[in-house]
Amino acid sequence: SQQGEEDPQALSIQEGENATMNCSYKTSINNLQWYRQNSGRGLVHLILIRSNEREKHSGRLRVTLDTSKKSSSLLITASRAADTASYFCATDDTGGFKTIFGAGTRLFVKA
Amino acid sequence: KAGVTQTPRYLIKTRGQQVTLSCSPISGHRSVSWYQQTPGQGLQFLFEYFSETQRNKGNFPGRFSGRQFSNSRSEMNVSTLELGDSALYLCASSLETKTGELFFGEGSRLTVL
Repeated sequence: SQQGEEDPQALSIQEGENATMNCSYKTSINNLQWYRQNSGRGLVHLILIRSNEREKHSGRLRVTLDTSKKSSSLLITASRAADTASYFCATDDTGGFKTIFGAGTRLFVKA
Repeated sequence: KAGVTQTPRYLIKTRGQQVTLSCSPISGHRSVSWYQQTPGQGLQFLFEYFSETQRNKGNFPGRFSGRQFSNSRSEMNVSTLELGDSALYLCASSLETKTGELFFGEGSRLTVL
């Protein structure tokens, strides 16, 4: 079963524009992570936000977390063609020792 | 520092056969998790091992099994392969899955004919 659900499923933007992806989850979490996957490759960790944090920045990435709404958003500013990939949110399972991934958002950045 | 290494990268099997996939974690990482990724189901958790003990298991049939060795290397096995087992199998290692970041290998792409 999937804990996180991303929205939108797919997003197409022009280079230089901002891309926003949203994630909703169902149960209480300790932390939420965002990962990126280039086609057919392994996932790469982007950022982790803890349940007691509301916002976090890393380079062109900005992540917000609203635990009352059980949702998170990932903003990529000034997108580049190289940002074309699938983006997944991931949460820790309440039972522990398990990270659950959402279905992902496919981002396509046109040069 | 070497990353997570998965072998083989690609393999083709026929229905009814079995397959073993291998994962070597980052040095010092004692937790290894396995995921199955398909276009229809996304990333599905298979199991997690820490110090040779399976601590959590996903909702997969008993045909899917795994183990971890004392050097933290892990293997997963799928017996009596079905067409639906065709997928990208991803291994991830971490210091401790409860708190943080997973480091993924490039995956083993299994095609079942």
